[in-house]
Amino acid sequence: QVQLQESGPGLVKPSETLSLTCTVSGGSISTYYWNWIRQAPGQGLEWIGYISYSGSTKFNPSLKSRATIFRDTSKNQFSLNLKSVTAADTALYYCARERGEGDLAFVLWGQGTLVTVSS
Amino acid sequence: DIVLTQSPGTLSLSPGERATLSCRASQSFSSSYLAWYQQKPGQAPRFLIYGASSRATGIPDRFSGSGSGTDFTLTISRLEAEDFAVYYCQQYGIFPPTFGGGTKVEIK
Repeated sequence: QVQLQESGPGLVKPSETLSLTCTVSGGSISTYYWNWIRQAPGQGLEWIGYISYSGSTKFNPSLKSRATIFRDTSKNQFSLNLKSVTAADTALYYCARERGEGDLAFVLWGQGTLVTVSS
Repeated sequence: DIVLTQSPGTLSLSPGERATLSCRASQSFSSSYLAWYQQKPGQAPRFLIYGASSRATGIPDRFSGSGSGTDFTLTISRLEAEDFAVYYCQQYGIFPPTFGGGTKVEIK
């Protein structure tokens, strides 16, 4: 079965770049759309963006072009960079797979990784 | 962005009771693009419903979804102990996809 696992630093300084990686096992990232979603402490969920099976990307305009997503198909991983972070970017970050054909309902989720932005 | 407002914020019920959760959108969109998730403390959200009323694989039939336009409902026909959690609705018909603020179903 397909599993997703996030990894990356748990602490990032303000104004620096947050970098996370999602490793996918049991399935190829060359199919489906692969997403990043975050949840601030005690808050709801916010979609960040995706990278498609073909490598195209799309992002939530709320992030004001601070996010990039790229992939390494040889490692079956995709990654998120979020630049110029502030305390408002402190959140649990999830990677997730959509249902199919760009249908952005999120069928599979990683366990999440907490990122704190603090000096 | 479409704003999804979930109500009530908290629902206090006993096992065996029926739970009715509401999700109202700030503008209309196709019901084909409404999903529901369940989240328990310390866990990732679990995909329950898509297309407003279609259950995801492995979801018990006590969970049902309905609605169209701007008003959607998740119903749990008879609450079991494992159903006490936070539930989120999500629309993916209009970019960007957005989530509601959640309804907590707690044990009375």
